[in-house]
Amino acid sequence: AQSVTQPDIHITVSEGASLELRCNYSYGATPYLFWYVQSPGQGLQLLLKYFSGDTLVQGIKGFEAEFKRSQSSFNLRKPSVHWSDAAEYFCAVVNPYGGATNKLIFGTGTLLAVQP
Amino acid sequence: EADIYQTPRYLVIGTGKKITLECSQTMGHDKMYWYQQDPGMELHLIHYSYGVNSTEKGDLSSESTVSRIRTEHFPLTLESARPSHTSQYLCASSGQPNTGELFFGEGSRLTVL
Repeated sequence: AQSVTQPDIHITVSEGASLELRCNYSYGATPYLFWYVQSPGQGLQLLLKYFSGDTLVQGIKGFEAEFKRSQSSFNLRKPSVHWSDAAEYFCAVVNPYGGATNKLIFGTGTLLAVQP
Repeated sequence: EADIYQTPRYLVIGTGKKITLECSQTMGHDKMYWYQQDPGMELHLIHYSYGVNSTEKGDLSSESTVSRIRTEHFPLTLESARPSHTSQYLCASSGQPNTGELFFGEGSRLTVL
């Protein structure tokens, strides 16, 4: 069965510092991979996605993620964090061969706090 | 920008009341979903639909029910709300088979006193 692990429940970084949020998945083949962000009291917004091809994916708000097949990872990065990036971040995967009834599997989320 | 709307955004009601959370999307998406999320916690899929007159229960058992009479509309109903139903409910839709990309509404935060 597919699963997604986000090992860091809570991360605090200083404004302007770099950020890396970890995501590992368990699946026999390469799934489709996503990062979503949820600001307080809001729904989820898609940051970026990986289906195939170039393993470094650019997203919105200056975020990028790198797919590493050998490590079953899809870590999210940002070179310089802004205070407005404080939010919860969810990694998610889906089986690309799961058919029309396929469902997205979410990780438990990483809560990012940004210090001034 | 995704066009998926949830109402009400916030609702405080007493125990035993019947409530309906509305979710509408204007993208013509076939697939729609309801997730339940407690503060700071992961998302749990409670209902989904792959088209009109199709509804399925999700991974987390829920006392709520859903209907899908029109493509654009996927309301969630609690016949008799209890304090244990206090949570945030997120509606989502998807129009692309297999990619898994979801578009989310802003959520409905329900508090049952």
